[in-house]
Amino acid sequence: AQSVTQPDIHITVSEGASLELRCNYSYGATPYLFWYVQSPGQGLQLLLKYFSGDTLVQGIKGFEAEFKRSQSSFNLRKPSVHWSDAAEYFCAVGAQAGTALIFGKGTTLSVSS
Amino acid sequence: DGGITQSPKYLFRKEGQNVTLSCEQNLNHDAMYWYRQDPGQGLRLIYYSQIVNDFQKGDIAEGYSVSREKKESFPLTVTSAQKNPTAFYLCASRKTGAQNQPQHFGDGTRLSIL
Repeated sequence: AQSVTQPDIHITVSEGASLELRCNYSYGATPYLFWYVQSPGQGLQLLLKYFSGDTLVQGIKGFEAEFKRSQSSFNLRKPSVHWSDAAEYFCAVGAQAGTALIFGKGTTLSVSS
Repeated sequence: DGGITQSPKYLFRKEGQNVTLSCEQNLNHDAMYWYRQDPGQGLRLIYYSQIVNDFQKGDIAEGYSVSREKKESFPLTVTSAQKNPTAFYLCASRKTGAQNQPQHFGDGTRLSIL
C-alpha cells in the first residue's frame, strides 16, 4: 500500500539559515510527488510537484525538492529561510488518476530570529 | 479567477444536530474530496467523488454523508452520528485523467460543538 512518512513533526530554523524537510514514500510504481504548505487556518497551497524528468524540481517561494528513487525520498529544501515561511508542510504521493492523494502527517516549521 | 469556495468559514453545531458544509469549485474538475484535519493527524480522507452522481467512502466516512448532484458542488453533511465532529474540514478538487495532477484546496471550514 502507498504511504508517505514525514519523520520530523516539528523543526525550528533560524532566519536566513538553510532548510531541509524530509519525506519518504512507499509506492510500487513511478511516484507522482507533491509538496504543499499550509498557513494557520488556511487551505493547502501547492509548492511543487514531480512526475518525471529532472529529479531536482523548482517550486514557488524559492523552494526546491529532489527526488531520489534509491532512497524513496523527496526532500524539500530552501537555501535561506524567511520568517514568513513558518507554516505546516505536507508531502503527498499521487495514486491512480482521480483518486485522492496520500498525505504525510506534516512537519511544522518555526522560524527563529 | 478559478478556485474552490468553502462556506461557512466557521460553523457551530448543537448536540443532535446535522450540519452541512458547502464546497463549490469553478475549475471544471471532475474529482472532488473532503478531508478532516486534526492537530498532529494530518489530513484524513472522508469521502471523494470522481464523477457526478457517484462517490466513494474514504478512511473515516462514518458519521458523514455527501452528495454530488452537480459537477461544481460537493456538500458534506456532518450527522449527529459523528460524536466528535470538532475539526477543520478541507475540500479539494482535482483534474482527472492524469496522475500528475495536483489537488487544489479551499480555505476550509472550522466546525465546533456548542
